Amino acid sequence: AQKITQTQPGMFVQEKEAVTLDCTYDTSDPSYGLFWYKQPSSGEMIFLIYQGSYDQQNATEGRYSLNFQKARKSANLVISASQLGDSAMYFCAMRDNSNYQLIWGAGTKLIIKP
Amino acid sequence: DGGITQSPKYLFRKEGQNVTLSCEQNLNHDAMYWYRQDPGQGLRLIYYSQIVNDFQKGDIAEGYSVSREKKESFPLTVTSAQKNPTAFYLCASKSPGTVNTEAFFGQGTRLTVV
Repeated sequence: AQKITQTQPGMFVQEKEAVTLDCTYDTSDPSYGLFWYKQPSSGEMIFLIYQGSYDQQNATEGRYSLNFQKARKSANLVISASQLGDSAMYFCAMRDNSNYQLIWGAGTKLIIKP
Repeated sequence: DGGITQSPKYLFRKEGQNVTLSCEQNLNHDAMYWYRQDPGQGLRLIYYSQIVNDFQKGDIAEGYSVSREKKESFPLTVTSAQKNPTAFYLCASKSPGTVNTEAFFGQGTRLTVV
C-alpha cells in the first residue's frame, strides 16, 4: 500500500540557515511523483516542487530543492537561506499510477526564528 | 486570474443541519477533489471527480455528498449523518495528466458545529 511518512512534527530553525524536512514513501509502482506543499496559517496549500520517479536529477525551484534518494525511498525538501515567511506547515505527497490520487504525509510545522 | 474559489471561508452549522460548501474553478481542469483536514494532520480525500457528471468516493465519504453538473463547480454537502464535521475543508483541481501534474487548491472553508 502507498504511504508517506514525515517523522518531524515540528522544527525550529534560525533565520538564514538551511533546513531539511524529511519525507519517506512507500509504493510498489515504478512510476510515481512526489510533491511538496506549503500551508501557511491562512490555510491554502501552495505547491512548491515536484520530483518524478524517473527524473535523473534532483528537482530545484529557487530556494527549494528536493534531495531524492530513490533506493532509500526518501524525498527530503531542502530550503536554503530560510526566511521568516517560510514559517508554515509543510506536506509531502505522492501520486502513483495505481489510482492517480495524492497520498499525504502528516506534515511538519516549521518555525523560523529571527 | 485563474484559480479556485471556495466559499464561505467560515461556516457554522447547528447539529442536525446539512450545509453545502462551494468550490468553483476557472482553470478548465477536468479533475476536482475535496479533502478534509483535522488539526495537526494531513489531508484525507472525501470525494473526487474526474469528469462532469461522474464522481467517486474517497477514503472518508460517509456523511458527505457531492455533485458535478458543471466542469467549473464541485459543491460538497456535509449532511447530518456526518458525526464529527468540524474541520477544515479544502477543494482542489488538476489538469489531465498522469503522475506529474500538481493539484491547485482553494483557500479552504473552516466548518464548525455549534
